[in-house]
Amino acid sequence: DAGVTQSPTHLIKTRGQQVTLRCSPKSGHDTVSWYQQALGQGPQFIFQYYEEEERQRGNFPDRFSGHQFPNYSSELNVNALLLGDSALYLCASSLAFRARDTQYFGPGTRLTVL
Amino acid sequence: EDKVVQSPLSLVVHEGDTVTLNCSYEVTNFRNLLWYKQEKKAPTFLFMLTSSGIEKKSGRLSSILDKKELFSILNITATQTGDSAVYLCAVEGGDPSGTYKYIFGTGTRLKVLA
Repeated sequence: DAGVTQSPTHLIKTRGQQVTLRCSPKSGHDTVSWYQQALGQGPQFIFQYYEEEERQRGNFPDRFSGHQFPNYSSELNVNALLLGDSALYLCASSLAFRARDTQYFGPGTRLTVL
Repeated sequence: EDKVVQSPLSLVVHEGDTVTLNCSYEVTNFRNLLWYKQEKKAPTFLFMLTSSGIEKKSGRLSSILDKKELFSILNITATQTGDSAVYLCAVEGGDPSGTYKYIFGTGTRLKVLA
């Protein structure tokens, strides 16, 4: 049973560039959430996708956008990269509306913006 | 605004010591409180707490939730060097008409010395 997978593992970009991160949820899960974790901080919620729609969003600018595909996988896009976007980006999957089920996290993508 | 506060921010102990990590929260439409251990990248799930006063145990780790006072504690007894990690507290909450999201604390960094 495959867990949550993310690609790429590491990424280096320069300011102003755009980046796309990818996530495949755990088998059987239909909801994907994205988090940004800066060094020394807890994960910050970016947004959540269910049924190919953004359902909830945290306090992140419109430069952060996403997509969910019919197979439940998801992409996170960040435009006009800033130095402050350097962080570990975590994807988590879950089964919607299962009150007793937890989210399962992927290994993350480490983004460095120079 | 929803918030989760963990204390202490960091802790250094010796092997065999007992530690108590704290998590207090103010989150709309509380559903669950979760503890994660993060060593390198992906947080790994430890406990999910939903009901007050019921202790969850797993080996040397235990946790309890107080929904009246809005806090939880995570205890680790007979600590080992392998317990060195960041311990994250997350509260699942949000809009009951939609999907829920996790609000994380900044974590407690525990270092166990041999």
